[in-house]
Amino acid sequence: AQKVTQAQTEISVVEKEDVTLDCVYETRDTTYYLFWYKQPPSGELVFLIRRNSFDEQNEISGRYSWNFQKSTSSFNFTITASQVVDSAVYFCALSDPYGGSQGNLIFGKGTKLSVKP
Amino acid sequence: SQTIHQWPATLVQPVGSPLSLECTVEGTSNPNLYWYRQAAGRGLQLLFYSVGIGQISSEVPQNLSASRPQDRQFILSSKKLLLSDSGFYLCACGDTQYFGPGTRLTVL
Repeated sequence: AQKVTQAQTEISVVEKEDVTLDCVYETRDTTYYLFWYKQPPSGELVFLIRRNSFDEQNEISGRYSWNFQKSTSSFNFTITASQVVDSAVYFCALSDPYGGSQGNLIFGKGTKLSVKP
Repeated sequence: SQTIHQWPATLVQPVGSPLSLECTVEGTSNPNLYWYRQAAGRGLQLLFYSVGIGQISSEVPQNLSASRPQDRQFILSSKKLLLSDSGFYLCACGDTQYFGPGTRLTVL
């Protein structure tokens, strides 16, 4: 069965610190997608990144970077020089594009990040 | 780019009352559409998905139903709400699964 584990329930850092959010997934499929979303206090889910299982290149977007390692089934997310506006709940998700649900997302339980000034 | 609208933004309903939540999408045609629910203190769970007009698949048994009367319209309904239906309902679109702003439902 597919599963996403975000072991860190809550993380608190001081502004300008780097922080890494961990995500470990389980799937028997060879073709799948991994996602990260940000949920600020207002509630909407903001898409951050989608990565397919055949692309293990690390991705960098401004202060955000993602490390995908199939060998350890991990897709970790790092925020460099964190800011107060980064405070949110972050969700990692896994999809099966060839499954019966046509792309059903399996979400982790989320990691609540608090960045203090 | 796609834009997803949901309404209402918040809703307070008594137990046993009916429900209708609407999701509409702009900027794309024939998208896959999804309804997710985020219960308090819990993660997101897929409720329904649709690959086209009139085509609905349910992921979990419940007293909710979904319909897709038009290509870019997705409706979530219930005939009689339960307390356990309270939560944050999110509509999503496409393979990338952009999400709408959500509807916060409280059943009293």
